[in-house]
Amino acid sequence: DIQMTQSPSSVSASVGDRVTITCRASQDIDKWLAWYQQKPGKVPQLLISAASSLQSGVPSRFSGSRSGTHFTLTISNLQPEDFATYYCQQAHWAPDTFGQGTKVEIK
Amino acid sequence: EEQLVQSGGGLVQPGGSLRLSCVASGFTLSSHWISWVRQAPGKGLEWVAHINEDGLRKGYVDSVRGRFTISRDTGKNSLSLQLSSLNSADAGVYYCARTALYDKGLDLWGQGTLVSVSS
Repeated sequence: DIQMTQSPSSVSASVGDRVTITCRASQDIDKWLAWYQQKPGKVPQLLISAASSLQSGVPSRFSGSRSGTHFTLTISNLQPEDFATYYCQQAHWAPDTFGQGTKVEIK
Repeated sequence: EEQLVQSGGGLVQPGGSLRLSCVASGFTLSSHWISWVRQAPGKGLEWVAHINEDGLRKGYVDSVRGRFTISRDTGKNSLSLQLSSLNSADAGVYYCARTALYDKGLDLWGQGTLVSVSS
């Protein structure tokens, strides 16, 4: 199975900060990496698919990139509504594994 | 409006069985791969199983293979996840989720249903 190593597990940041979350795949997954946001007690929401494709309705301060098996989610100009947990997921090889999650907390 | 509405779930004894359902509205479920994802209390997301458009291709995470069965009911625009031989590690919220047509992201999620395993 492909392992997704997500880091950091948590990050403290302030409104207006730039936050970067990374996921590394244990094998080549091409571009098939998605990012999700989940707020407490809520359903996960797809932010970015295929490494860098922003979903409709998602603010442009969210962006994704890929370098080989290394993927990055960047939140520019962090807003109060962005404090949540973020997960990556590879969808190239079953099982479609998730990363461990990154909790973005208020500093 | 496109929606996935889940039902089933509840409290079951260890070793017991349960059936979860996921009904689509506003789109044709059989046009998409569908996954089940679960989340143990206070833990992260775990992909559990998926099924392709015609129901002939299925995949499971190792921990549930042989105990869980995913299937479609095309006539009812729905699918189900049959859970058996349940143990405490299977407890949590279960979500059905639709795979987008072109980029493999899970773009539509059900509301989630809670499975509790306890004697």
